[in-house]
Amino acid sequence: EDQVTQSPEALRLQEGESSSLNCSYTVSGLRGLFWYRQDPGKGPEFLFTLYSAGEEKEKERLKATLTKKESFLHITAPKPEDSATYLCAVQDRGSNYKLTFGKGTLLTVNP
Amino acid sequence: DTGVSQDPRHKITKRGQNVTFRCDPISEHNRLYWYRQTLGQGPEFLTYFQNEAQLEKSRLLSDRFSAERPKGSFSTLEIQRTEQGDSAMYLCASAPGPINEQFFGPGTRLTVL
Repeated sequence: EDQVTQSPEALRLQEGESSSLNCSYTVSGLRGLFWYRQDPGKGPEFLFTLYSAGEEKEKERLKATLTKKESFLHITAPKPEDSATYLCAVQDRGSNYKLTFGKGTLLTVNP
Repeated sequence: DTGVSQDPRHKITKRGQNVTFRCDPISEHNRLYWYRQTLGQGPEFLTYFQNEAQLEKSRLLSDRFSAERPKGSFSTLEIQRTEQGDSAMYLCASAPGPINEQFFGPGTRLTVL
């Protein structure tokens, strides 16, 4: 069974203080790894898809990387508007295209 | 707005009542997914459609749950004889193909009293 573990569960940063979120996964064969952002009371918002180890994607202050066992979401010089829950999900080659999510990391950026 | 839409956004019901939710996917997307999310957890897969065909159902989807996607357009999720444990956010997502990213709607928040 696919498993996704995200750490830390919660992270508080000061504005401008860079950090990384971790997503460890176990799948029989990775089809894709997805990062989403979720604001309170809203649906997840797509950020990145990574398909193979060594791949990197960037968007504004966010950079996602992928290895064979984990993915990192690096946040550079965060701003208060980056505060949200960040969700990681995997799609297994053996599955019927469903996503298996982790519990998320709640990021709070203080001004 | 051409994103995924869901209706209603909030639903409060009494235990034992039936409820139905609607999802309108992005128009050119042939794949539609339903997920359920409870507080502090990530979304959990319930079921998915390719066009009008329901191709997979999670074991989370008891016989009180039924989903349809007539004509491969909008989808409905019905819960019969609701229980307090059904209280959750029900999320719909659509995708243009199997390995593309899934785009989520705003969700329907269900509260069962």
